[in-house]
Amino acid sequence: GEDVEQSLFLSVREGDSSVINCTYTDSSSTYLYWYKQEPGAGLQLLTYIFSNMDMKQDQRLTVLLNKKDKHLSLRIADTQTGDSAIYFCAESEESGGYNKLIFGAGTRLAVHP
Amino acid sequence: GAVVSQHPSWVICKSGTSVKIECRSLDFQATTMFWYRQFPKQSLMLMATSNEGSKATYEQGVEKDKFLINHASLTLSTLTVTSAHPEDSSFYICSARQGRFQRRNTEAFFGQGTRLTVV
Repeated sequence: GEDVEQSLFLSVREGDSSVINCTYTDSSSTYLYWYKQEPGAGLQLLTYIFSNMDMKQDQRLTVLLNKKDKHLSLRIADTQTGDSAIYFCAESEESGGYNKLIFGAGTRLAVHP
Repeated sequence: GAVVSQHPSWVICKSGTSVKIECRSLDFQATTMFWYRQFPKQSLMLMATSNEGSKATYEQGVEKDKFLINHASLTLSTLTVTSAHPEDSSFYICSARQGRFQRRNTEAFFGQGTRLTVV
C-alpha cells in the first residue's frame, strides 16, 4: 500500500516560522493535503495543493511540493500558541472506483513563548 | 466548511456490550463516508469506506463482523462495535464526502470523534 511519512515532533518559539515535512509514495496523487487536529477533536482541512503546482500560499501557510522527490512541506509563518496541534499530511489513493486519504503519523507542533 | 456531526463524543461501556456511533452530514448529502480509528499519538487508520445504499468496503485486517457499518441514507452512517472488549478502546473518527472522489470541491469533512472506553 501507499505510505506517508512525517517527523513526529516539532518545537518552535512563538513568532518564529514552523516547517513540517512529509514524504509520500503515490506519484499519481492528484491532490496532497494538510490537516490540523486539536486535542480530542476531529481533523480540519488546512490547505491542499494540486499535484502540478510547486507552491501554494494561503495567508500564513505556504505549501511546497517537490514532486520529483515526493516531498511536501508546510510552513507556518509567525507561529502562534493557537497553532499548537497535530498536523497530518495526506495523499489520495484511488481504489475500487473511489478514492481515500492515506495519512501520515502526524507531527505534533508545540509552540512555546 | 460543511458540518459533520458525530455522536456520542465519548462513551464508556462494559466488556461484551455493543456500542453504536453515529455520523451525520448536516448540510450536504454524503455519498461516501469513512470510518477511522486513531490510537494515542498515532495516525488515523482507515477502517472502512461506505457508499450510500451499498455495503461497506473494509480495509485489510478490519473485522467486518466486529465493526458493523450502515450507510442507510445520504446523511447518516453508523458504526456499531459489537461485543466490545478493552482492546477496542480507541478514538473513532468519521468523515463524509459529497462525491466518490476527493477533489478540490468535494473534500472530506471530519466529525469531532468519539472516544470509546471499554471497561
